[in-house]
Amino acid sequence: EAQVTQNPRYLITVTGKKLTVTCSQNMNHEYMSWYRQDPGLGLRQIYYSMNVEVTDKGDVPEGYKVSRKEKRNFPLILESPSPNQTSLYFCASSLRFLSYNEQFFGPGTRLTVL
Amino acid sequence: AQSVTQLDSHVSVSEGTPVLLRCNYSSSYSPSLFWYVQHPNKGLQLLLKYTSAATLVKGINGFEAEFKKSETSFHLTKPSAHMSDAAEYFCVVSEPSQAAGNKLTFGGGTRVLVKP
Repeated sequence: EAQVTQNPRYLITVTGKKLTVTCSQNMNHEYMSWYRQDPGLGLRQIYYSMNVEVTDKGDVPEGYKVSRKEKRNFPLILESPSPNQTSLYFCASSLRFLSYNEQFFGPGTRLTVL
Repeated sequence: AQSVTQLDSHVSVSEGTPVLLRCNYSSSYSPSLFWYVQHPNKGLQLLLKYTSAATLVKGINGFEAEFKKSETSFHLTKPSAHMSDAAEYFCVVSEPSQAAGNKLTFGGGTRVLVKP
């Protein structure tokens, strides 16, 4: 089944404790991205990747890092989480960079930073 | 720069009655427009998309949307609401560019309540 998976689905952590949220897709998509969802704001893009080893900042990149060492994986790293990073996070992928193809979303990761 | 405004944050309908979710967008060029649905504790699922072909777009589960360039609108409709339509709906615009990648710009969402 074609899908985007994320782990963990739920995470409660404390300020300053580094964490990684994994994202993997099995559709051989070139383009992957991370969004955060906050009430009333819809989804906002954090980082995106056009292909392996190529990433760029989205609208709200502060406090986050990403890497794209393999085509299928695009982990999101919070080096020193803070309470304002409490949010619902979605990973998404689409076939190609600079295309009008729809993006496929993972199930989401609900993160709480105390 | 692109932006999306969903005109209603909440919509309440009775089962079997029509649903109308309103969306206005602004875009510099020729955008793609999407509607996504998010059921409670679930990810986002694509309902339908417009990519400069027919202006009336049919999607899954009986939903359709009409692209009106003169009004910069992309309203979502369904003739008869079902209990399973209770969810949050997002209108989304995309203008792929070298600067912004395939970034999707989301509206704030419309939460639909369906009453029996």
